[in-house]
Amino acid sequence: SQQGEEDPQALSIQEGENATMNCSYKTSINNLQWYRQNSGRGLVHLILIRSNEREKHSGRLRVTLDTSKKSSSLLITASRAADTASYFCATSYWGGYQKVTFGTGTKLQVIP
Amino acid sequence: DVKVTQSSRYLVKRTGEKVFLECVQDMDHENMFWYRQDPGLGLRLIYFSYDVKMKEKGDIPEGYSVSREKKERFSLILESASTNQTSMYLCASSLGETGFVADTQYFGPGTRLTVL
Repeated sequence: SQQGEEDPQALSIQEGENATMNCSYKTSINNLQWYRQNSGRGLVHLILIRSNEREKHSGRLRVTLDTSKKSSSLLITASRAADTASYFCATSYWGGYQKVTFGTGTKLQVIP
Repeated sequence: DVKVTQSSRYLVKRTGEKVFLECVQDMDHENMFWYRQDPGLGLRLIYFSYDVKMKEKGDIPEGYSVSREKKERFSLILESASTNQTSMYLCASSLGETGFVADTQYFGPGTRLTVL
């Protein structure tokens, strides 16, 4: 399965600390996206990084992509209690049609 | 802002009932998707549609069907609900990529379905 796997499955940090979560996948991708999901809600798109990009920033978010290792990381700097959520990576690849596969998520808890 | 709405936040049905989940998007998106989300399994694609009346099976289509009669509306149908279809159902839409790369998906709030 192409499904991305996030690591760790759960992460608990203090407000103000940085949070890093990782995503690994198995086959070549076109792009990789990160989404956030607050408890019991839908997913919200955070950032998209294309296969020819190595790093991307958006506000307090920094995403890196290493296609040689088939992995990506999401760094949230100076975390806030409002960042408490589950974070998913989604990989896009060609599988007869343009497929997008979501990982199982990292559950982040930011303690005030 | 893109808005994707789902007809119900919570739904309780009995085994064997026919269940309709409705999804509407207001941004003229070409693509629409239905996922189910279960603990430890992430999101799994049930069906998607890239145009009106067009549909493609996702990874887990068994026990489900879909209908897209209008561009803005995508319905998921459980012909005969079973307890193993108890789950969170998420609808999403995307603009519709014409090139090589898939684009951002916009999600609805989800419907938590319980089948008794």
